[in-house]
Amino acid sequence: DTAVSQTPKYLVTQMGNDKSIKCEQNLGHDTMYWYKQDSKKFLKIMFSYNNKELIINETVPNRFSPKSPDKAHLNLHINSLELGDSAVYFCASSLRARADTQYFGPGTRLTVL
Amino acid sequence: QKEVEQDPGPLSVPEGAIVSLNCTYSNSAFQYFMWYRQYSRKGPELLMYTYSSGNKEDGRFTAQVDKSSKYISLFIRDSQPSDSATYLCAMTTDSWGKLQFGAGTQVVVTP
Repeated sequence: DTAVSQTPKYLVTQMGNDKSIKCEQNLGHDTMYWYKQDSKKFLKIMFSYNNKELIINETVPNRFSPKSPDKAHLNLHINSLELGDSAVYFCASSLRARADTQYFGPGTRLTVL
Repeated sequence: QKEVEQDPGPLSVPEGAIVSLNCTYSNSAFQYFMWYRQYSRKGPELLMYTYSSGNKEDGRFTAQVDKSSKYISLFIRDSQPSDSATYLCAMTTDSWGKLQFGAGTQVVVTP
């Protein structure tokens, strides 16, 4: 009974390709997030959705597009992948956008060749 | 300069020792402070959550916040090899605001 799950766990792809990462939470939370963790372990927020509405949209290239079909799912689509997109992408969820209830998924390790 | 600074380590301690971790920050508007633990190849998990200044204790873990110095600390008593992980500090201006993370400190507890 995983709380926040992501697929795939690993993603290796060529530059220029388009790929998607899926996230699902079964905690009944109403807020979901995408974070990027670079090779230096620095974790930075990219997007946040509350009840399917975008509430945080950091300075992220337009090639990244989040989609929230419902409260329990948040997907991340990346167009025209670049070498610099290689990182671990974490999905997280929380209750009413509260920082003290953020639960993270296991991460998706993206490698762009 | 990053808003949140954290020494990346690694910090190596013998089992049973006290682990002392800290972060400094520049934004005086930060009011909510968190510590996360991240095992290798796993997602971060919330360890401690503190509002404003003061201390908070939970088992072997103690979090301290000194807003006047813009400095937060995490102490782990009686450290165990299972405490070996990367510890990330995080903070936000509002309880619902976006988190700003430190770079994380790698801790290694040797038996």
